[in-house]
Amino acid sequence: GIQVEQSPPDLILQEGANSTLRCNFSDSVNNLQWFHQNPWGQLINLFYIPSGTKQNGRLSATTVATERYSLLYISSSQTTDSGVYFCAVIYNQGGKLIFGQGTELSVKP
Amino acid sequence: SAVISQKPSRDICQRGTSLTIQCQVDSQVTMMFWYRQQPGQSLTLIATANQGSEATYESGFVIDKFPISRPNLTFSTLTVSNMSPEDSSIYLCSATPSTDTQYFGPGTRLTVL
Repeated sequence: GIQVEQSPPDLILQEGANSTLRCNFSDSVNNLQWFHQNPWGQLINLFYIPSGTKQNGRLSATTVATERYSLLYISSSQTTDSGVYFCAVIYNQGGKLIFGQGTELSVKP
Repeated sequence: SAVISQKPSRDICQRGTSLTIQCQVDSQVTMMFWYRQQPGQSLTLIATANQGSEATYESGFVIDKFPISRPNLTFSTLTVSNMSPEDSSIYLCSATPSTDTQYFGPGTRLTVL
């Protein structure tokens, strides 16, 4: 099956810093989503981005489908950005998401 | 988009018992899924909940352990049967409305003693 790898596994930032999270996938995909899981376990949709670039406030994402990777940019990080960021893909018509192992982000005040 | 609720939000259960988790979506959706997130781990798909037919289970998950119902296009249940401490996890349901974007419920945090 498809492999989804995220890097780095852990990241510690000072408030106000910028960061880039990466997601590599081993096969062509129909769908790619980025999620933020907050410390209470809630999984929040950030982007649906099978290709191209999208921006939402301080967050933006780029997926280069032909090279099988996606990047999530966080600018001017805040303590509320802390949590785990997951990349997940759908690679067939079944609709099921395959998750990466996540990047655990900690933003210090 | 879709708004998804789950009940209960958390529970503490004794080994050998069963727990049924409910998932309600605020609109009719074509596809619903159940995931498990073990402590410190990523999410793993348990099964696809099919409306009007038996669920489709992923490798490593069986119907006897995780029976699933989906009586209509807005509701599904997952039962965790004959629980052991290894079943302690967060269980999440998700749904895909008309677009490809998948939305998740808030999860059910299960502890088995």
